[in-house]
Amino acid sequence: NAGVTQTPKFRILKIGQSMTLQCAQDMNHNYMYWYRQDPGMGLKLIYYSVGAGITDKGEVPNGYNVSRSTTEDFPLRLELAAPSQTSVYFCASSKNRDGGQPQHFGDGTRLSIL
Amino acid sequence: AQKVTQAQTEISVVEKEDVTLDCVYETRDTTYYLFWYKQPPSGELVFLIRRNSFDEQNEISGRYSWNFQKSTSSFNFTITASQVVDSAVYFCALSEATTFGNEKLTFGTGTRLTIIP
Repeated sequence: NAGVTQTPKFRILKIGQSMTLQCAQDMNHNYMYWYRQDPGMGLKLIYYSVGAGITDKGEVPNGYNVSRSTTEDFPLRLELAAPSQTSVYFCASSKNRDGGQPQHFGDGTRLSIL
Repeated sequence: AQKVTQAQTEISVVEKEDVTLDCVYETRDTTYYLFWYKQPPSGELVFLIRRNSFDEQNEISGRYSWNFQKSTSSFNFTITASQVVDSAVYFCALSEATTFGNEKLTFGTGTRLTIIP
């Protein structure tokens, strides 16, 4: 019963490097989300997707890109890593029917940009 | 714009005491949902409860209870007879209506609860 799986769990990047944070869910959820959590703060939405091929920006999309080619996967791409992107990243998913379905979260990816 | 305020940054109580975590929200939507999530020291986010804007009944689940009052735009969370395992950061969140439904969440900044043995 995997739920939402994020890889890697930890990563250190140098400024200017790029990487992709992976997220996969096995619950057949149409809705998927990427959040970042900075120390002492709540979660802020980066991007979300309501189904394969459909994505939209959240509150803090700058510096990130996403794609959704399958229902299961929703990778987050950092093209030119900057120190301001040091954060814990959470992927989440939820059912598509009815409003207000609870989001199920992965365990997070702790990313440091040095 | 949606906003969630958790004014209590940190709370410490002695084990077995009751504790209430406050959550105040702002929204222009008539249909919305409120959530509480728990983030234990291990870091994962655990869903606790969802409430829709049309249901103001209080809810109790074991030692946990929630009080939703639209008149004061509040959705407070009470833990009765607290235990050390309740130590965590608790987040209140509000759903935002989008073209696709009420799916985007706005989180508060969280309340760090420490239960002292």
